[in-house]
Amino acid sequence: GENVEQHPSTLSVQEGDSAVIKCTYSDSASNYFPWYKQELGKRPQLIIDIRSNVGEKKDQRIAVTLNKTAKHFSLHITETQPEDSAVYFCAASMNDYKLSFGAGTTVTVRA
Amino acid sequence: DSGVTQTPKHLITATGQRVTLRCSPRSGDLSVYWYQQSLDQGLQFLIQYYNGEERAKGNILERFSAQQFPDLHSELNLSSLELGDSALYFCASSVDGISSYEQYFGPGTRLTVT
Repeated sequence: GENVEQHPSTLSVQEGDSAVIKCTYSDSASNYFPWYKQELGKRPQLIIDIRSNVGEKKDQRIAVTLNKTAKHFSLHITETQPEDSAVYFCAASMNDYKLSFGAGTTVTVRA
Repeated sequence: DSGVTQTPKHLITATGQRVTLRCSPRSGDLSVYWYQQSLDQGLQFLIQYYNGEERAKGNILERFSAQQFPDLHSELNLSSLELGDSALYFCASSVDGISSYEQYFGPGTRLTVT
C-alpha cells in the first residue's frame, strides 16, 4: 500500500514568518494530495489539495507544490498567524480514493 | 461545520463489549469513509462505502464491521472491544469518490475502552 512520510514532526515559527512542511509518498500511482489542519480535539479540516496534473496551487496564504518525479509535495504557509497553530496532515490517494496520511506536523506560531 | 454528523460524541465502555458508531454524510454525498485516529497509529483508513456498497477496505480488524444504509447514513460496529481500540473514530464523506476526491470529516466519536 501507499506509504506517506511527513517532516518535520514539530515546527515552531515566529508570527509573520513562513512555515514549510514536506511529505514524500511511495506509490507513483497516487494522484491526489490533500492537506488537513486539525486543532486539538477537533475534526481534520481540508485546507488545500492538489491533483497530479498540477504542479502548484495557491489559496491566499497557503500553497502546495507537487514534484511527481521525486514523489514529494509540500505545504507552504506564509505570514503565519497564531490561529495557524495546529497539527497539519498530508495525505495521498490512488484511484481507490482512500487516504493514506502522514504522521502529522505540530505547528506552533510564537507571538 | 463540514455538514457530516457523528453520534455519539463520546463513548465509554468496558473490554469485551460491543458498540455502534453512527455517521450521516453531507447532503448529496454518496461515499462514506471511516478512519481511526490513535496516538501510536495516527490516522488510519478503515473502510469505504459508496451508495450502499463496500468499495475499499483498509486496516480494519475482523472484530469491526460497517454498513451503509439506503438513506446513506453509515454505522461502524466494534465488537469484543480491547483497550487498544480506544481512539477517535472519524467518518468522512465525499460527493461520489469517483469524479470528486475531496473528503470532509465529521466531528468524530471518542471511544474509551476501560
